[in-house]
Amino acid sequence: AQSVAQPEDQVNVAEGNPLTVKCTYSVSGNPYLFWYVQYPNRGLQFLLKYITGDNLVKGSYGFEAEFNKSQTSFHLKKPSALVSDSALYFCAVRGYSGAGSYQLTFGKGTKLSVIP
Amino acid sequence: NAGVTQTPKFQVLKTGQSMTLQCAQDMNHEYMSWYRQDPGMGLRLIHYSVGAGITDQGEVPNGYNVSRSTTEDFPLRLLSAAPSQTSVYFCASSYSDPQGHGNTIYFGEGSWLTVV
Repeated sequence: AQSVAQPEDQVNVAEGNPLTVKCTYSVSGNPYLFWYVQYPNRGLQFLLKYITGDNLVKGSYGFEAEFNKSQTSFHLKKPSALVSDSALYFCAVRGYSGAGSYQLTFGKGTKLSVIP
Repeated sequence: NAGVTQTPKFQVLKTGQSMTLQCAQDMNHEYMSWYRQDPGMGLRLIHYSVGAGITDQGEVPNGYNVSRSTTEDFPLRLLSAAPSQTSVYFCASSYSDPQGHGNTIYFGEGSWLTVV
């Protein structure tokens, strides 16, 4: 069965410092990988995705993520954190689940707090 | 530009009551789905639909019913509410099955349901 792990429930970073939110996955076949952000009392918003091609993917609001096949990771990064980046971040992976079908699985989420 | 619209945003139910969460999208998306979000559990797929007249079960379908009579609407029915169904519910849509093609999923703002 496929899975997504976000090993940190919470990440704290000072404003202006670089941030990383970690994600590792386990799937059959080639993965499609996604990052979503959820602000308080709101729905999830799409940030970026990796389907194929360049391992470094750039997304909304200055975020980027690097696909590392050997480490089965897709960490979310931003060079300089803003207080407004404080939110809940979800990693998701699509993988082959057998019999010609695919499954999309979300991680449990990581709460990012950017401290002024 | 409404996107995915969910109603109601907040609801309190008594155990055993039934209710319907409404979801509508104006993007002519084929694929619609319902997720529930619980603390520490991430998002779990309840039911999904790949087009009008077609629905299928997700990871946690028990206690819920869906129908898809039009492309735009995908209501979620709680047949006999239980405290275990206290959760935040998200409706989502995409151009086609995101599990098969990696298409971006668009989420509604969420419905907070409490069953007492």
